[in-house]
Amino acid sequence: DAGVIQSPRHEVTEMGQEVTLRCKPISGHNSLFWYRQTMMRGLELLIYFNNNVPIDDSGMPEDRFSAKMPNASFSTLKIQPSEPRDSAVYFCASSLTVEETQYFGPGTRLLVL
Amino acid sequence: DQQVKQNSPSLSVQEGRISILNCDYTNSMFDYFLWYKKYPAEGPTFLISISSIKDKNEDGRFTVFLNKSAKHLSLHIVPSQPGDSAVYFCAAIASTGNQFYFGTGTSLTVIP
Repeated sequence: DAGVIQSPRHEVTEMGQEVTLRCKPISGHNSLFWYRQTMMRGLELLIYFNNNVPIDDSGMPEDRFSAKMPNASFSTLKIQPSEPRDSAVYFCASSLTVEETQYFGPGTRLLVL
Repeated sequence: DQQVKQNSPSLSVQEGRISILNCDYTNSMFDYFLWYKKYPAEGPTFLISISSIKDKNEDGRFTVFLNKSAKHLSLHIVPSQPGDSAVYFCAAIASTGNQFYFGTGTSLTVIP
């Protein structure tokens, strides 16, 4: 299995632009998670899906952030408009069920200028 | 509100010695704990876990200890190797309520 796939690996954009991060979970996994990693706060859970349904989005920092999972093999995290403070590494992870071990993708390093 | 805390942002240990990484939590509903290891430019990878019904779990050089009364867990690496140099995150799950949290991480450097 290829593991969790994220794209792009790096993104540099200007403030105000829309950013879309993509994730393909491990086949057969029913839960998908989006995290943001910063130096100050470590890994923060932004949102997670179970069977393609958003369960908890309380970690999404603002309305500028949105996430979708149109099918079991694809999810997006969108930031519109982006701001410099959104600069971070964004990880996607998947697991068989919500309670089980999560497998992480390589992350997307986002820099908003 | 940081429900899982790793109070040491960094730790340096000599090769061959023991590394001890600590993690504290506040929510008594957490019933499953995990340690993840993260190298630069890579996603975290699962290392070892422990259920709240146990107080110790061992896997090779890695042992996790859980003290439920103190709401504290620790990861012991013996003997430490330079390849163990990474950031270690602890995570806690409350299966009822589907809550899970990561700590802020501890950067371990093993000095050859």
